[in-house]
Amino acid sequence: AQSVAQPEDQVNVAEGNPLTVKCTYSVSGNPYLFWYVQYPNRGLQFLLKYITGDNLVKGSYGFEAEFNKSQTSFHLKKPSALVSDSALYFCAVRDDTGRRALTFGSGTRLQVQP
Amino acid sequence: DARVTQTPRHKVTEMGQEVTMRCQPILGHNTVFWYRQTMMQGLELLAYFRNRAPLDDSGMPKDRFSAEMPDATLATLKIQPSEPRDSAVYFCASGLVVSGSSGANVLTFGAGSRLTVL
Repeated sequence: AQSVAQPEDQVNVAEGNPLTVKCTYSVSGNPYLFWYVQYPNRGLQFLLKYITGDNLVKGSYGFEAEFNKSQTSFHLKKPSALVSDSALYFCAVRDDTGRRALTFGSGTRLQVQP
Repeated sequence: DARVTQTPRHKVTEMGQEVTMRCQPILGHNTVFWYRQTMMQGLELLAYFRNRAPLDDSGMPKDRFSAEMPDATLATLKIQPSEPRDSAVYFCASGLVVSGSSGANVLTFGAGSRLTVL
């Protein structure tokens, strides 16, 4: 079985401050990890992924995520938050067999205050 | 930009009626997914197709839901009969998996079909 936990329903941060959205996962074998973002009344949009290689992955809009195998975590980060980053963020995982679809976390709402 | 197109965007129907949602995946993509999003359950996988063949529909209530891909350009999700608890946003997503690899394909999501069953 594969699962994702996003422990925070909401994260509040002031514009210009760094942000972190937490994600931990469970999967058999090697994980493929993803972050997606959802704006109101829109579908999910891909931000970044980790497959293999460097543990620090850089993605769209200045976001990055750090893969930590020992802690089974894949936290999303950004050095300086923008008001326009306010949205719903989903972490997702699947195994490396290709036979399973992505399993998504429950989502974390990021609110960036001006 | 290539897009996944879903119709209808909004649907209000009465309990017991049949509902059909359609999805046009991105041309050339060989995997299609249906997810349902609700406040309580988050994003749930309903069905997963690869090369038009169902790979995983274990999350789909079989008694009333059915998913098909009549051809490579069309995926359908049907609910018959619909119930108020089916009210949700239904997302279709597509991706490309290269043959012979497990594929870390990025999914492109449609804008969703918001279903309200009264």
